[in-house]
Amino acid sequence: AQSVTQLDSHVSVSEGTPVLLRCNYSSSYSPSLFWYVQHPNKGLQLLLKYTSAATLVKGINGFEAEFKKSETSFHLTKPSAHMSDAAEYFCVVRPISSGSARQLTFGSGTQLTVLP
Amino acid sequence: EADIYQTPRYLVIGTGKKITLECSQTMGHDKMYWYQQDPGMELHLIHYSYGVNSTEKGDLSSESTVSRIRTEHFPLTLESARPSHTSQYLCASSETGILGTEAFFGQGTRLTVV
Repeated sequence: AQSVTQLDSHVSVSEGTPVLLRCNYSSSYSPSLFWYVQHPNKGLQLLLKYTSAATLVKGINGFEAEFKKSETSFHLTKPSAHMSDAAEYFCVVRPISSGSARQLTFGSGTQLTVLP
Repeated sequence: EADIYQTPRYLVIGTGKKITLECSQTMGHDKMYWYQQDPGMELHLIHYSYGVNSTEKGDLSSESTVSRIRTEHFPLTLESARPSHTSQYLCASSETGILGTEAFFGQGTRLTVV
């Protein structure tokens, strides 16, 4: 069994300030973890993924996430928010032994607002 | 940019009509998926396919049906649309593999049944 909890449904930051979107997971197996971003009226775009290699993962657009097994967390960060970062962000978990996206489990999403 | 396309992007249709949501991918992926997403909510898997002539129901019960006659094409059909079917429908595909198999998503179809 696996689950994902995104701890904040809404996060609001000022442009140029750091972004932190929190994600905790539970999984019976070693997990693969993903962050996706969804801009209004768009599909989901992969930001970054963790697949048991380096625990600090760098993604697109300056985002990164750190896998912390002891805390079962995979928080998404960015040093300096840009207006174009305003979107919905989804944390996703999958057992690493699974060869299929069939077992993807999505969090409920965090809406990021960036204030000028 | 992932090469997976959904049409139409938006659809407003009357109750009782039959509709087909199109999804095509040019990446040669064997696995394809349909997700349903209500506003502000997480995605729920409603259908998936491991390849041609292979389709299965997902975690969320849905009155829709799918077909997979060609690798690149995975249409979803509602025989008789109802207001309860109003939602966003996202199509995705993934390659066969074990490590790091992420899904690539289309832009979605926002369906409104009036």
